Amino acid sequence: NAGVTQTPKFQVLKTGQSMTLQCAQDMNHNSMYWYRQDPGMGLRLIYYSASEGTTDKGEVPNGYNVSRLNKREFSLRLESAAPSQTSVYFCASRGLGKDEQYFGPGTRLTVT
Amino acid sequence: AQSVTQLGSHVSVSEGALVLLRCNYSSSVPPYLFWYVQYPNQGLQLLLKYTSAATLVKGINGFEAEFKKSETSFHLTKPSAHMRDAAEYFCAVSEGNAGNMLTFGGGTRLMVKP
Repeated sequence: NAGVTQTPKFQVLKTGQSMTLQCAQDMNHNSMYWYRQDPGMGLRLIYYSASEGTTDKGEVPNGYNVSRLNKREFSLRLESAAPSQTSVYFCASRGLGKDEQYFGPGTRLTVT
Repeated sequence: AQSVTQLGSHVSVSEGALVLLRCNYSSSVPPYLFWYVQYPNQGLQLLLKYTSAATLVKGINGFEAEFKKSETSFHLTKPSAHMRDAAEYFCAVSEGNAGNMLTFGGGTRLMVKP
């Protein structure tokens, strides 16, 4: 039982490049989330998926897209990376009827 | 709309001293409240949660927190700090809606001096 896994762990992009961050969970959770973490700002929600087949915007969705590929996987795509997207990205999941979210180890992204 | 304020971005205590990390929230409905801990280069781990049961909540690693509705606070305490408690701590609030979205405070980095 690996919990929530994220790939890659580290990535450096040039401005304008695109990439997809992958997230998978093996806990049969219904809901999945993408956050970004910036110093002094805690974690801010980018997008979430309350259940398979649905996605909704969070607090800071601009410049990102998501895909809930199946119940296990929830990917985050940057179509044209900008330096302002330099951050640590966390994926999380939550079981149906449960309160707490479980977090992955994070992806550290640098955009130059 | 919900929000969380953590007073003090950095807190330093001596080993064996009391740990007190402050969290105040605002919420339009009775909130669910959480404390998470993040060790260096790791993801977040749940310490404890309040979901409208007992107002004094005990968590892992000897931490506890008390929900005070009148003060809109959910401060985290531990009687005696250990070196291994050095980490960043995040308070978060949820209004328990369908998405159960969490709003996080800015975090408090706890340093423990020997």
